[in-house]
Amino acid sequence: IAGITQAPTSQILAAGRRMTLRCTQDMRHNAMYWYRQDLGLGLRLIHYSNTAGTTGKGEVPDGYSVSRANTDDFPLTLASAVPSQTSVYFCASSWTSGGDGEQFFGPGTRLTVL
Amino acid sequence: GENVEQHPSTLSVQEGDSAVIKCTYSDSASNYFPWYKQELGKRPQLIIDIRSNVGEKKDQRIAVTLNKTAKHFSLHITETQPEDSAVYFCAAVPNRDDKIIFGKGTRLHILP
Repeated sequence: IAGITQAPTSQILAAGRRMTLRCTQDMRHNAMYWYRQDLGLGLRLIHYSNTAGTTGKGEVPDGYSVSRANTDDFPLTLASAVPSQTSVYFCASSWTSGGDGEQFFGPGTRLTVL
Repeated sequence: GENVEQHPSTLSVQEGDSAVIKCTYSDSASNYFPWYKQELGKRPQLIIDIRSNVGEKKDQRIAVTLNKTAKHFSLHITETQPEDSAVYFCAAVPNRDDKIIFGKGTRLHILP
């Protein structure tokens, strides 16, 4: 692996189902982030982690949870998916926390909730 | 909290002409202003950034200017080329403990 990867690439999900989006980086970056991208709304931060073992809420955290058990992995879980969670989800990582510094984005996961 | 406004939402320019995208921010404590480019179907990538102790930064055909007093910053692309067609996002970071806030994006079309 070189960089940051996400899985799955796309997913169609029935409302009410539980879903985990996976994100892995091999750059040993301290900070990791989850964004959702919706047309006309740009990139909105869902959750972040400044370092392994810590997480924080972003702009739009409701309905989502994250964990950071180690440096490399930062999964995002939708406990009970709703149609408004239909979006493209990007994971990102950076050397420094606090948003100060270049963020490297994964390829994205396109999620459709029916 | 921080709020970033970006204009225009769509911009079309003739190939070879210049393009300017403008952003304003609300939190005077913001001190880091990156610009990301997202090509169709691709992931966002950093193209240039500026910190609050600098008024202007250039990298080949792109430049960013920052007016801290007016809380404005702008992206300038000169001699535009077809590969400049993309969505551009500005962003602001209030301080080292806060998270990056993105503008809603500008879709730039380079016309042949």
